[in-house]
Amino acid sequence: DIQMTQSPSTLSTSVGDRVTITCRASQSISNWLAWYQQKPGKAPNLLISRASSLESGVPSRFSGSGFGTEFTLTISSLQPDDFATYYCQQYNIYPYTFGQGTKLEIK
Amino acid sequence: QVQLQQWGAGLLKPSETLSLTCAVYGGSFSGYYWSWLRQPPGKGPECIGEIDHSGSTNYSPSLKSRVTISVDTSKNQFSLNLKSMTAADTAVYYCARARISMVRGVIRRLFEYWGPGTLVTVSS
Repeated sequence: DIQMTQSPSTLSTSVGDRVTITCRASQSISNWLAWYQQKPGKAPNLLISRASSLESGVPSRFSGSGFGTEFTLTISSLQPDDFATYYCQQYNIYPYTFGQGTKLEIK
Repeated sequence: QVQLQQWGAGLLKPSETLSLTCAVYGGSFSGYYWSWLRQPPGKGPECIGEIDHSGSTNYSPSLKSRVTISVDTSKNQFSLNLKSMTAADTAVYYCARARISMVRGVIRRLFEYWGPGTLVTVSS
């Protein structure tokens, strides 16, 4: 299976901050990379597909980039609703695999 | 609007079989893959397996020997059976609809709609 590694695991941050989360794949996945947001007790919500394509309804402060094995999710100006856990997921080779998550906490 | 509703037993004893069903409301049932995933406490989600409307399945190699996923297109439902459950299988189990991307003949699937999840605990 392809291993996905996210960093950091936890990030203490404040409203208005610019936030960057990194995701690394154990082998090249081209741009078959998705990002999800998950809030406590809820299912993951798809934010970004194909590494950089924003899903309909997702605020433009979210952006994604990367290719191959290194990817980033950036939130340009953190809003109160953004405090959640974020997961990357490769969907190049089945079984599709997820990172361990990055939790955004209020500083 | 697409909605997935899932149900099944939430407390099992070791060696028992997990049975979950997911009903799909809204949207077409064909043209998508229908998936089961699970998320152990404090970890990222994990793929269990998937099925399309014709009944073609893919399973995670680590669970393949214990998993069966089936579909009932007349009811727009699909189901998961996972046998020989142990404490290591304790997790929130999700059903999901995956949309298809085909590039150069390769089909890739992306989880766009999820059910609410079922907490499954395995304990004696």
